[in-house]
Amino acid sequence: GAVVSQHPSRVICKSGTSVKIECRSLDFQATTMFWYRQFPKQSLMLMATSNEGSKATYEQGVEKDKFLINHASLTLSTLTVTSAHPEDSSFYICSARDGADQPQHFGDGTRLSIL
Amino acid sequence: AQSVTQPDIHITVSEGASLELRCNYSYGATPYLFWYVQSPGQGLQLLLKYFSGDTLVQGIKGFEAEFKRSQSSFNLRKPSVHWSDAAEYFCAVGTYSGNTPLVFGKGTRLSVIA
Repeated sequence: GAVVSQHPSRVICKSGTSVKIECRSLDFQATTMFWYRQFPKQSLMLMATSNEGSKATYEQGVEKDKFLINHASLTLSTLTVTSAHPEDSSFYICSARDGADQPQHFGDGTRLSIL
Repeated sequence: AQSVTQPDIHITVSEGASLELRCNYSYGATPYLFWYVQSPGQGLQLLLKYFSGDTLVQGIKGFEAEFKRSQSSFNLRKPSVHWSDAAEYFCAVGTYSGNTPLVFGKGTRLSVIA
């Protein structure tokens, strides 16, 4: 089945650091990937839709200059949290679909902790 | 607009007992429906999906779900719960388009007691 790989699984860093999270579709091509944020004991909040070769589409309230998304190839999308602060600490999950009539497949998530 | 309601925030069942998690959706067309499970600190794993055809769908880990159009529901069931089923369960609705993300419910946390 379709596999989405997300790296790293956990990041702990100082305030002010920029952190890059990678999301790869391992056995399929994904023209579209989705980035979610999940707070403890809450559902997934869609942050943005990443489109290969074009600009990402951000949800209302999500700062595009804070959360930079790059989708340079059909198998890789990256989310960079720029100048991260403690309030950016969260669980970030990426997802992709391998066809119009297919479900979304999720990475294992990245636990980001900003000290 | 699409929406998904999971009325139960937290459910506790005894090991070996049956389980039903409720999901209601609001959607203008025939929906694609999904159930995902999330263990703590992990991503989401697809349990089952409904696109068309038989309204009773079988999934992994012994789960099944039934699509009832008249009730706008897609409830998840398991006849006998195992302790390893304790997790967060999310119902989601989507469209045919690959560019459109799924809409998720708020989730139901399942606890299993001995």
